[in-house]
Amino acid sequence: EAQVTQNPRYLITVTGKKLTVTCSQNMNHEYMSWYRQDPGLGLRQIYYSMNVEVTDKGDVPEGYKVSRKEKRNFPLILESPSPNQTSLYFCASSRRVGDIQYFGAGTRLSVL
Amino acid sequence: QKEVEQNSGPLSVPEGAIASLNCTYSDRGSQSFFWYRQYSGKSPELIMSIYSNGDKEDGRFTAQLNKASQYVSLLIRDSQPSDSATYLCAVVGAAGNKLTFGGGTRVLVKP
Repeated sequence: EAQVTQNPRYLITVTGKKLTVTCSQNMNHEYMSWYRQDPGLGLRQIYYSMNVEVTDKGDVPEGYKVSRKEKRNFPLILESPSPNQTSLYFCASSRRVGDIQYFGAGTRLSVL
Repeated sequence: QKEVEQNSGPLSVPEGAIASLNCTYSDRGSQSFFWYRQYSGKSPELIMSIYSNGDKEDGRFTAQLNKASQYVSLLIRDSQPSDSATYLCAVVGAAGNKLTFGGGTRVLVKP
């Protein structure tokens, strides 16, 4: 089954404790991206990757890191989480940027 | 000015009526346009994609694109309570490397 898998689905952490949210797709997609969704602000892109070892900043990259060492994986790293990073996060993938995006189920993160 | 703008709603429509959603975008060179539906707490799912001016129909959904006026719309015919959700407009800019979402329009279909 074609899918984008995010883990964990729910995470509660404390300020400053490094965390990683994993994202994996099994569709051999080249394009992957991370979004955060906050009430009234819609989906905002954090980082995207056009292919392996190619990543670029989206609209709200501050406080986040990503890597794309393999085509299927695109982890999101919060080196020092802060309460303003409490949000719902989605990973997405597609064959190319102008193609249909397939979304993961989402990760609800709370930073205390 | 936001790159992709939508009325946040809620848009309230009676069951069986037509829901009309609009989206405007600022990048005149944009080439790819999408409508996603998102139920509360769930991930977005694609409803329609449209790339050329004019109308594109798929079941009860019709997407309309007007590049000269920089807007894309979605019509939902014979609206059902199950259509109650937030509808997100998404646009790929002229540079072709970025997908930008609008804030979404919340639709409520009342029985």
